[in-house]
Amino acid sequence: AQSVTQPDIHITVSEGASLELRCNYSYGATPYLFWYVQSPGQGLQLLLKYFSGDTLVQGIKGFEAEFKRSQSSFNLRKPSVHWSDAAEYFCAVGAAGGSYIPTFGRGTSLIVHP
Amino acid sequence: DAGVIQSPRHEVTEMGQEVTLRCKPISGHNSLFWYRQTMMRGLELLIYFNNNVPIDDSGMPEDRFSAKMPNASFSTLKIQPSEPRDSAVYFCASSLDQEDTQYFGPGTRLTVL
Repeated sequence: AQSVTQPDIHITVSEGASLELRCNYSYGATPYLFWYVQSPGQGLQLLLKYFSGDTLVQGIKGFEAEFKRSQSSFNLRKPSVHWSDAAEYFCAVGAAGGSYIPTFGRGTSLIVHP
Repeated sequence: DAGVIQSPRHEVTEMGQEVTLRCKPISGHNSLFWYRQTMMRGLELLIYFNNNVPIDDSGMPEDRFSAKMPNASFSTLKIQPSEPRDSAVYFCASSLDQEDTQYFGPGTRLTVL
């Protein structure tokens, strides 16, 4: 079975600064990878996903993530953070073939200082 | 599309009462998931269905919890009897196929007094 680790429980950045949220996964074959965002009081919303092809994936709200097979990572990045980006971010890993539904990490809480 | 619809959005009940949470998935989606989210345990998968059939209910905490999906457009999660430790936000999500992108509902915030 696959697993996913988000090493950072909280991340604090200043508005306008760059952001990188870490995600490491464990899976023997090529995974399906997702990043979701949860604003306070809301459900989870998909930011971006990687199934195959280009390892640099663009998502909504100016986010991108890069799949690095050698490091088993799928880190989320944004060049300039806005105050509205303050939220909880979840990485998830799944697999093709229907055998493995996406497994979610514990989440990283992003705090944005003005 | 209206997205995944959950009702009620908030539920406050007393210990021992029966609670029923409802979910309408996105039309055409074949898989439906029930999650529970708490500060202590994060996001936990309780059960998921594929083509209305329960596939994995290993995340259901105990026999007090049950879930049904009588048709492709409706699912329920029932807690009977409810306990204070069941207080959490319960999310329903649906996807085209079980390994695909999940679309989450707004959640039901359950408080058991």
